[in-house]
Amino acid sequence: GENVEQHPSTLSVQEGDSAVIKCTYSDSASNYFPWYKQELGKRPQLIIDIRSNVGEKKDQRIAVTLNKTAKHFSLHITETQPEDSAVYFCAARSTDKLIFGTGTRLQVFP
Amino acid sequence: DAGVIQSPRHEVTEMGQEVTLRCKPISGHNSLFWYRQTMMRGLELLIYFNNNVPIDDSGMPEDRFSAKMPNASFSTLKIQPSEPRDSAVYFCASSLGSTYEQFFGPGTRLTVL
Repeated sequence: GENVEQHPSTLSVQEGDSAVIKCTYSDSASNYFPWYKQELGKRPQLIIDIRSNVGEKKDQRIAVTLNKTAKHFSLHITETQPEDSAVYFCAARSTDKLIFGTGTRLQVFP
Repeated sequence: DAGVIQSPRHEVTEMGQEVTLRCKPISGHNSLFWYRQTMMRGLELLIYFNNNVPIDDSGMPEDRFSAKMPNASFSTLKIQPSEPRDSAVYFCASSLGSTYEQFFGPGTRLTVL
């Protein structure tokens, strides 16, 4: 089955800097890759997603890139702000199931 | 739209007791997912339903866990008997179909003493 690895597990950046989180997946048939943000004590919420027919997608300060050949995808957050502090999960969809990475705890220091 | 609704939000019980978690998906959504989140294992899919039919329950840890979806607007996850290692946050999520965005409920924090 699908296996998703996510790095790093923790990431600390200064406000205004960029943050990059990377994920790899194992199932070449996976075709949908969402990213979820989970604030402390809250539910995971979708922030951006990408499908396998697209290499890059951007939404304001957030962008996701996908390399199907290498089977990895990344989340890029530019001009980070303290409210970006949260746990971020990547996921890959394989046979209608989302398989989640282990999460990255991002801390943005003012 | 109220979003996905889960109850209770918190549950504290003693080992050996039966626990029932409840979920109401977003109206019109026909896929429903149950997840468990722990520090050690992260976010794990337990089971999911399409049109009220269980499609994949390979994530259900053992026979103590069971899930039902008697109609399009209600699902339950039952643990009987409960054990301390079942302590976790249980999320329910729903989507228009299994290939669409999943919307998570607020979760139920379960503590088994």
